Amino acid sequence: EAQVTQNPRYLITVTGKKLTVTCSQNMNHEYMSWYRQDPGLGLRQIYYSMNVEVTDKGDVPEGYKVSRKEKRNFPLILESPSPNQTSLYFCASSLGTGVNTDTQYFGPGTRLTVL
Amino acid sequence: AQKVTQAQTEISVVEKEDVTLDCVYETRDTTYYLFWYKQPPSGELVFLIRRNSFDEQNEISGRYSWNFQKSTSSFNFTITASQVVDSAVYFCALGPNDYKLSFGAGTTVTVRA
Repeated sequence: EAQVTQNPRYLITVTGKKLTVTCSQNMNHEYMSWYRQDPGLGLRQIYYSMNVEVTDKGDVPEGYKVSRKEKRNFPLILESPSPNQTSLYFCASSLGTGVNTDTQYFGPGTRLTVL
Repeated sequence: AQKVTQAQTEISVVEKEDVTLDCVYETRDTTYYLFWYKQPPSGELVFLIRRNSFDEQNEISGRYSWNFQKSTSSFNFTITASQVVDSAVYFCALGPNDYKLSFGAGTTVTVRA
């Protein structure tokens, strides 16, 4: 089954304690992205990756890091989390072919609370 | 810069009523893609439709239909004969491709039995 998985699904942590949210896809997609969802703001892109070792900033990259060492994995790293990073996070992947039937697959989301 | 505006924050209807969700976008790209996603109460994002800027044909899929008008930079979504299961947050999104999207703030649709 084609899917994007994220772990953990829920996380409560404290300010300053480094954490990593993992994302993995089994569709051999080249393109992967991270978004955060906040009430009234919709989803905003944090980082995206076009292939292994190729990443670029989205609209709200401050306070986040990513890496793409393998095609299937795209972890999101918060080196020193702060309360304003409390949010719902989504990982996504796509082929990026431009074909109308192509779509971006989203993971189930990770709800992060930073105290 | 890209921008998507979903002016309706919340819409409440009675079952079987039609509901139209507005989406207005801004972009300087000549080639771009528009999307609609559904987020039910369970929280996952469900892809509904993708349109590229060269294809202004309206689309119908069951009770869902979409009206794309480049002249007004709009990509509106209509649910015909709404059902309780249609209750969700609906997002319109825009991007130069499908991996770098700008989302609207979302419209919460509540369908009452």
